[in-house]
Amino acid sequence: NAGVMQNPRHLVRRRGQEARLRCSPMKGHSHVYWYRQLPEEGLKFMVYLQKENIIDESGMPKERFSAEFPKEGPSILRIQQVVRGDSAAYFCASSRQGGATDTQYFGPGTRLTVL
Amino acid sequence: EDQVTQSPEALRLQEGESSSLNCSYTVSGLRGLFWYRQDPGKGPEFLFTLYSAGEEKEKERLKATLTKKESFLHITAPKPEDSATYLCAVKDRDDKIIFGKGTRLHILP
Repeated sequence: NAGVMQNPRHLVRRRGQEARLRCSPMKGHSHVYWYRQLPEEGLKFMVYLQKENIIDESGMPKERFSAEFPKEGPSILRIQQVVRGDSAAYFCASSRQGGATDTQYFGPGTRLTVL
Repeated sequence: EDQVTQSPEALRLQEGESSSLNCSYTVSGLRGLFWYRQDPGKGPEFLFTLYSAGEEKEKERLKATLTKKESFLHITAPKPEDSATYLCAVKDRDDKIIFGKGTRLHILP
C-alpha cells in the first residue's frame, strides 16, 4: 500500500528558472495539500486541492506560484522564475475525504535549492 | 489569530528517562489536534489525532493527552530510536491546519 509519493526528492534550479514539483496521493485519497517548510520553521499551509478544483489557496504567494490537480495524473506545484527565497522543503499531504475528522498523510518532500 | 506553540524547542534525555512535550494552542473552534513525528530529511509521520478535552491516545511508548488549551505528548522510558522532531498541529473551524515549530527530541543511549 504505497504512501504519498513526491518527485523529485531534490531539485536544484538557478534563479529565474521554473520548478515543477509532483505529488501522487495515497490510493483512495482525493484531497491534496501542499506545505512549505523553511529551516527552523513550522510547516506552512499553501494550497488545498481536489481533483480539478482548487479549494483553498490562501497560503499561496500571489505571484509565481500555481498548483493543479488534474483528473488524471499527479498534483503539480509550479514555481515560475524562482528566487533564492524559494529554497525550502515542499511537502505534499493527502487525505481520503477532507473535512474535520480526516487525517492528512505526508509524502517525503521535495527539497528545492535555488542557486 | 490561530497559534500553536510547542515547548521546549529541544530536549535531550537519557535512555529510559520519561518526559513530556507541550503543545499550547489558541484556535477558533478546534476541530482536531494532531501529533506527527518527523525524522531528518523525511516527511511528517502521523501519530495521533485528538478531538476533545479529556481524550487520550497511546501508541507504544507515546501517550497524547488534550485539554482545552494544550496537549501533552508523554514519552515513557524512551529509546534512542525515539529521537526525532515531534510536530503538533491544530485544525480550526475553517478546516485550516496550523503547525507548531516542533520539539527536537534527542535520546542518549
